[in-house]
Amino acid sequence: DQQVKQNSPSLSVQEGRISILNCDYTNSMFDYFLWYKKYPAEGPTFLISISSIKDKNEDGRFTVFLNKSAKHLSLHIVPSQPGDSAVYFCAAKHAYNAGNMLTFGGGTRLMVKP
Amino acid sequence: EAGVTQSPTHLIKTRGQQATLRCSPISGHTSVYWYQQALGLGLQFLLWYDEGEERNRGNFPPRFSGRQFPNYSSELNVNALELEDSALYLCASSLGLADYNEQFFGPGTRLTVL
Repeated sequence: DQQVKQNSPSLSVQEGRISILNCDYTNSMFDYFLWYKKYPAEGPTFLISISSIKDKNEDGRFTVFLNKSAKHLSLHIVPSQPGDSAVYFCAAKHAYNAGNMLTFGGGTRLMVKP
Repeated sequence: EAGVTQSPTHLIKTRGQQATLRCSPISGHTSVYWYQQALGLGLQFLLWYDEGEERNRGNFPPRFSGRQFPNYSSELNVNALELEDSALYLCASSLGLADYNEQFFGPGTRLTVL
């Protein structure tokens, strides 16, 4: 039972355009959501997060939107740059788990073409 | 400041053998998490240690085990290796049990079971 799903395994975008990566979840007890970026041969690195009390969080070129009623979040990258080419994972934290164990989606490979 | 380190980088074993993977967290971090990333799949939570104790484990058989040492480093042991154990094993560390502490990942150990 996949509680966090990224239905698009890959996405190709032209440099300078917007990249939109989507993530759906099924567990209504998730209360904190994160996006991680992963380059080959490296571990994932934290990108941006959002609490369930918000519907938008912005950090430079990266914005995460949360739609709780639809159990859907998205990551917008504007403008996209070739260096953004990586695998992006969304992750969720359960409200009543002590600490911060994360449930990850399967990842979306973003390719930004020059 | 040194990041999370993992050893070895690559490990090749045969079916039925045992594998031991090691992780050193960031200085000051007391929590260590282990994840498995099988080919084409997202990160699956394996184990979480904090202050030397196992706090939670994911949906993996008992032949996946580990421990955390007094210096907060950790070992993951996989007994009776099976072909499907071939995966990238990622370790992450964070500050302790308080909520929403960012997890920092190491580069991973690639385990291949022949």
